[in-house]
Amino acid sequence: DAMVIQNPRYQVTQFGKPVTLSCSQTLNHNVMYWYQQKSSQAPKLLFHYYDKDFNNEADTPDNFQSRRPNTSFCFLDIRSPGLGDTAMYLCATSSEISGANVLTFGAGSRLTVL
Amino acid sequence: KQEVTQIPAALSVPEGENLVLNCSFTDSAIYNLQWFRQDPGKGLTSLLLIQSSQREQTSGRLNASLDKSSGRSTLYIAASQPGDSATYLCAVMDSSYKLIFGSGTRLLVRP
Repeated sequence: DAMVIQNPRYQVTQFGKPVTLSCSQTLNHNVMYWYQQKSSQAPKLLFHYYDKDFNNEADTPDNFQSRRPNTSFCFLDIRSPGLGDTAMYLCATSSEISGANVLTFGAGSRLTVL
Repeated sequence: KQEVTQIPAALSVPEGENLVLNCSFTDSAIYNLQWFRQDPGKGLTSLLLIQSSQREQTSGRLNASLDKSSGRSTLYIAASQPGDSATYLCAVMDSSYKLIFGSGTRLLVRP
């Protein structure tokens, strides 16, 4: 089935130890997003790619970087995780279909920083 | 800056009750509005999408309305069931394809 797959589902890391989260999609969608969701809070957009164009949110910390080597894959790199980066990280994709732009989300990667 | 607010933050109802979840947004220049469901510890599942030119969408027991001029949307759930227990998130998409979320309504349907 076409879908959005995130790996790993669960990641525990030490304070300051770099982490990479991956997202792959078989939907051939041209837009990919990374959201951060802390406990009981709204998902917060970190950045998104429209095709190859990278769009960073103004309040996304420099500690967070992203790569999109091709249409199917997108990575979230956290260079020096802090305790406050403990959260669920959600990847989503979208494409305009019949004038609608529906987001499809992956199951998320839950990151715990100790 | 677009802000999305959802009321109530939490809701507990007995099974079978009809209920309404509310969403408001500050900037009416939206591309569309979407409602999602999130189960604990899981990703988001899209429920309904309303284009900016539409007034409502229906899927099964769910009906979502949009009043863009007043910056409001409602999600109506008919004949609620315990399986409907989840967090419901409202989100608006702007013209640059950014989706801004509210903080959700946690729904508990009691058997």
